[in-house]
Amino acid sequence: EAQVTQNPRYLITVTGKKLTVTCSQNMNHEYMSWYRQDPGLGLRQIYYSMNVEVTDKGDVPEGYKVSRKEKRNFPLILESPSPNQTSLYFCASRPTTGGSDEQYFGPGTRLTVT
Amino acid sequence: GEDVEQSLFLSVREGDSSVINCTYTDSSSTYLYWYKQEPGAGLQLLTYIFSNMDMKQDQRLTVLLNKKDKHLSLRIADTQTGDSAIYFCSPGRGSTLGRLYFGRGTQLTVWP
Repeated sequence: EAQVTQNPRYLITVTGKKLTVTCSQNMNHEYMSWYRQDPGLGLRQIYYSMNVEVTDKGDVPEGYKVSRKEKRNFPLILESPSPNQTSLYFCASRPTTGGSDEQYFGPGTRLTVT
Repeated sequence: GEDVEQSLFLSVREGDSSVINCTYTDSSSTYLYWYKQEPGAGLQLLTYIFSNMDMKQDQRLTVLLNKKDKHLSLRIADTQTGDSAIYFCSPGRGSTLGRLYFGRGTQLTVWP
């Protein structure tokens, strides 16, 4: 089944404790992206990657890191999480050929930083 | 960057029509998308319209595009309680561009 998976789905952590949220897709998509969703603010793009070893900032990259060493994986790293990073995070992927830029989303990771 | 505006809330009675509106600023969008987010789930593509079209109908869904005014709308006919969700508008920017934008999402509540 074609899908985007994220782990963990739920995470409660403390300020300053480094964490990684994994994202994996099995559709051989070149493009992957991370978003955060906050009430009243909608979806905001954190980082995206057009292909392996190519990453770029979205609208709200501060406090986050990403890497794209393999095509299928795009982990999101919070080196020193803070409470304002409490949010619902989504990973998405899509192909970069064919014209359409429809995205396929993972199920989300709910992060709470205390 | 791109600015995408949607109203935050809409409530309708079951069986009525719902209309969700979206305005955007980037006139270069080739595809314009509507995504649906059900409670506790990720976003899924609901429908889309190609920028050279004015209207697209897909069963109970009608998408209208006014390219001149940069206005997109989604009409759901005979709205059902299962349509209760958050709906996001997202103007596409072409498959070769990376920065993508979404509206804040419209929470549709359908009352029985």
